[in-house]
Amino acid sequence: GENVEQHPSTLSVQEGDSAVIKCTYSDSASNYFPWYKQELGKGPQLIIDIRSNVGEKKDQRIAVTLNKTAKHFSLHITETQPEDSAVYFCAASPGGYQKVTFGIGTKLQVIP
Amino acid sequence: KAGVTQTPRYLIKTRGQQVTLSCSPISGHRSVSWYQQTPGQGLQFLFEYFSETQRNKGNFPGRFSGRQFSNSRSEMNVSTLELGDSALYLCASSWRGQETQYFGPGTRLLVL
Repeated sequence: GENVEQHPSTLSVQEGDSAVIKCTYSDSASNYFPWYKQELGKGPQLIIDIRSNVGEKKDQRIAVTLNKTAKHFSLHITETQPEDSAVYFCAASPGGYQKVTFGIGTKLQVIP
Repeated sequence: KAGVTQTPRYLIKTRGQQVTLSCSPISGHRSVSWYQQTPGQGLQFLFEYFSETQRNKGNFPGRFSGRQFSNSRSEMNVSTLELGDSALYLCASSWRGQETQYFGPGTRLLVL
């Protein structure tokens, strides 16, 4: 089955700096890669996703890149703000009705 | 549209007891997935239901079971509770598959 590895497990950045979280996956059939943000006491919330026919996708301060050959994808957050502090999860799926496999999570702390 | 709701939000049980958790998906969503979240293991997939049928299953013992009703509401049951079952149980709904899942706030289960 699919295995998703996520690094780093914790990340501290100064407000205004950029943050990068990296993930690798094992199943070459995976073609859907969502990223979730989980704030304390809440369920994960989808913040951006990418499909294998796209190499990069941006949404304001958030961007995701995908390298299908190397089987890795990354989340980039620019101009970080204190409200970006949360746990971020990457995930991978073959899409359609197949299950989604999550990474272990990255706890991001943005220091004011 | 109302989001995914889960009840109860908190639960304390003792070893050997059983528990039933409930999930109401977003209106119109027919797929409901359940996940177990623990600090050491991250988000682990339990099972997914679509139109009252279990379509995918994770690697959990038979003590974990679920069902889905005709109105897409879902329940999961854990029998003969063990200390290691203490976790946050998350439910996620989607329109027809496991892409673009929307998570509820979770039920925090503590087994004493």
